[in-house]
Amino acid sequence: GQNIDQPTEMTATEGAIVQINCTYQTSGFNGLFWYQQHAGEAPTFLSYNVLDGLEEKGRFSSFLSRSKGYSYLLLKELQMKDSASYLCAVRDRTGGFKTIFGAGTRLFVKA
Amino acid sequence: GAVVSQHPSRVICKSGTSVKIECRSLDFQATTMFWYRQFPKKSLMLMATSNEGSKATYEQGVEKDKFLINHASLTLSTLTVTSAHPEDSSFYICSASSTVLSYEQYFGPGTRLTVT
Repeated sequence: GQNIDQPTEMTATEGAIVQINCTYQTSGFNGLFWYQQHAGEAPTFLSYNVLDGLEEKGRFSSFLSRSKGYSYLLLKELQMKDSASYLCAVRDRTGGFKTIFGAGTRLFVKA
Repeated sequence: GAVVSQHPSRVICKSGTSVKIECRSLDFQATTMFWYRQFPKKSLMLMATSNEGSKATYEQGVEKDKFLINHASLTLSTLTVTSAHPEDSSFYICSASSTVLSYEQYFGPGTRLTVT
């Protein structure tokens, strides 16, 4: 089966940097995603990692270590609008390439 | 970019009735569609995976006779919640991908179902 762990909540200050960690266990790893979700809305895609290393996209970066079953999402220059839930999701090739979501980390950005 | 729509966005129904939710890929052909449900402050729980023209694959614990999924065309999948009960009240979200190997998964805006 799959198991995805990430912190429930985090608080950070506007303009700062925050790192949201995610650990996972899966038998047929085929990629890791980060999504942002505002309350009452559908998730929006942030990043995709399938190889080890850091992927940078503007203020957002995502890191993957497959051997450690570990990823993090790094948000720089935090803005108030970044207050949202951040979902770590793992794609598993067993059972037909399903994407399984973690419980999400609620990020509160304060002034 | 690829767009997925859902209809209705909100629906309120009485206990015992059935509700159909449509998921459409507007500008691409979706060979695979996924249905999720999400309770308040919880993550998305995969309910089923549907491939065009074949029966849906349901996740463990999801009643296939209660949540009927039809993926009749490459642009449309429907989820019917039969004999709805208040505990079925949830946020239902579909997503679509163009091929089974594509990592791109495009989400619809979601449907808020309230069963009274």
